[in-house]
Amino acid sequence: DAGVIQSPRHEVTEMGQEVTLRCKPISGHNSLFWYRQTMMRGLELLIYFNNNVPIDDSGMPEDRFSAKMPNASFSTLKIQPSEPRDSAVYFCASSLTSGAKNIQYFGAGTRLSVL
Amino acid sequence: KQEVTQIPAALSVPEGENLVLNCSFTDSAIYNLQWFRQDPGKGLTSLLLIQSSQREQTSGRLNASLDKSSGRSTLYIAASQPGDSATYLCAVRARAGNTGKLIFGQGTTLQVKP
Repeated sequence: DAGVIQSPRHEVTEMGQEVTLRCKPISGHNSLFWYRQTMMRGLELLIYFNNNVPIDDSGMPEDRFSAKMPNASFSTLKIQPSEPRDSAVYFCASSLTSGAKNIQYFGAGTRLSVL
Repeated sequence: KQEVTQIPAALSVPEGENLVLNCSFTDSAIYNLQWFRQDPGKGLTSLLLIQSSQREQTSGRLNASLDKSSGRSTLYIAASQPGDSATYLCAVRARAGNTGKLIFGQGTTLQVKP
């Protein structure tokens, strides 16, 4: 398997624009996680899905952030409108929750810069 | 609220040294603890996972220990190599299954000098 695939790898946009980040989880995994990483706050969980259903979105910072998982092989994280403080690296991870270990596998991330 | 702390934030050692990275957590009611490695510009790679009932796990030159009652874990790296240079993060899972979030520490950035 190619692993968790995220696109784009880098995104530069202007304040106020809509940003959409994409994630393809590992085939067969039933949980998907969106994280944000910054120097100040480290790695934070934004939202996670199980069997395409959002389970916990308590980490989503504001209504400007939304995430969808229309099927088992695709998820999006949208920011509208974007602000400079949203600049960070956004990671997607997937796992198979049937196992005891429940190891999460991470994508390479999307580095977002909002000017 | 669970908090995870890693000390030191950065570490520089000469090649060949054995070293220990520390991780502490405030709530001992964890399901498991994981150590990850992150290379610059890359995602995280899981290194070792210790279930709450276990005391240690080993993989090659890496050994992770867990003392749940004291809220501590250590990652021991034997005979360090320049290729070990990366940021190491620990994360705890509070509960099993779908509702178990991973709470991450801030990481320790390791540099191994040739």
